[in-house]
Formats: sequence, structure tokens, C-alpha cells
Amino acid sequence: EVQLVESGGGLVRPGGSLRLSCAASGFIFSNFEMTWVRQAPGRGLEWVSYISSSGDTVYYADSVKGRFTISRDNAKNSLYLQMNSLRDDDTAVYYCAREWVSDNGDYEVFDPWGQGTLVTVSS
Amino acid sequence: DIQVTQSPSSLSASIGDRVTITCRASQNIRNYLNWYQQKPGKAPKFLIYAASTLQSGVPSRFSGSGSGTDFTLTISSLQPEDFATYYCQQSYSTPPYTFGQGTKVEIK
Repeated sequence: EVQLVESGGGLVRPGGSLRLSCAASGFIFSNFEMTWVRQAPGRGLEWVSYISSSGDTVYYADSVKGRFTISRDNAKNSLYLQMNSLRDDDTAVYYCAREWVSDNGDYEVFDPWGQGTLVTVSS
Repeated sequence: DIQVTQSPSSLSASIGDRVTITCRASQNIRNYLNWYQQKPGKAPKFLIYAASTLQSGVPSRFSGSGSGTDFTLTISSLQPEDFATYYCQQSYSTPPYTFGQGTKVEIK
């Protein structure tokens, strides 16, 4: 069974740091691009960051650029999100998701998703 | 960046109703449009990709259509398990892969 399990969330003060982890199982992790998506309480989904299967290519949303760093360890089947200089508006459930690609390679969707880990930034 | 506008933000419907949700992209994204369903306290679940292709196991009462900038998700006969929030997402070109604001489907 394909499974993603996030961890590392918690309460942190504004300006603080936190590192999220996402443990993957049930598929060949090193073959897949991965992404982080967050959802503030009562709000919609916001794409946060992407990393290629090798880790060579990364992208970030403007809202987190310069503060968050995505990385992966293919030997450990793990994805990470290092979050620095945290702000109140970073409070959200953070999901990791695999980027599934259609058979013809043209289309990408986020599937599956982990259960999410809650990050609360508050003084 | 490509913006995606989804409407309505919420709707009330009865079991058996036909429900339509629309999504508009700020530029031509061909058919690079996905739909997800999210139930309270759960992670989103992928329903449709390439605007109209159903994920395996998704009931046939769900359908998607559109290309270019205008897209639609239709539920032909609403069932109790369909009450949820639905999101569209564009996957055209490189990230950011923006989401629509979501449509909450509630029981009338």
C-alpha cells in the first residue's frame, strides 16, 4: 500500500524554526517528484514547494521563498521541509503528496496525500 | 503565475440533485486541470485529471469538462458521500500549481 506519513509539526513562536518530515512507503520513492501543500485553519489548499525525483530541481511559493527549504533523502525514503523565520500566517496543516504522472507522461496530479501535520505559529 | 478562480464558494443541494462547479484559469492551460475532493479532517483525494479523465474507482456520476480557461466539475446525482469540499488545480507548465479557492457542497 502506498503511504505517506508526516511528522514534526507542533507549536512554535514567531521567528522560530521547525523541520517537517514525510516518510514514504509502498512505492519506489526515488522515482517520484514530491510536493508540500498546506491548509490554514478553515481555508483552502495552498501549494508550498516541489522537489524533483533526484532533488536537483526545487520550486517554492512566493509566500515561503527564502524561508523554507525542501529536501529529500532517497536512501531513507523521506521528504523534508525546513521552515525558518516562521510567521503567524504559516499556521496550517502541512501535507506531503506524491506527484503521480499519467501513462503518457503529460499530466501530473498529487496522489496520494499524507494525513497532514499541524504547525501552529503563535506567541 | 497562473490564477485559478473557482465558483461558487459554497452551494446547498439535495440528494439526487445535479451539481455543477466551475473553474476559470487566468490564461490558457489547455486541459491541465485536476479536481480533488476533501472531507472534513481528511486529506484531499484526487478525482479527475486532464480536465475529464476519472481516476480509477471514482464513481461515474462525477464528470469533468472544459479546455483553455473554462472548466466544469459535474455530479450528475448527488449522493450522501459526496458532501465535501471540491478543489480544482492547474498543472500547466512548471510550478506553482495553483488551486482554486474551493467549493463546499452542503446538504439542503
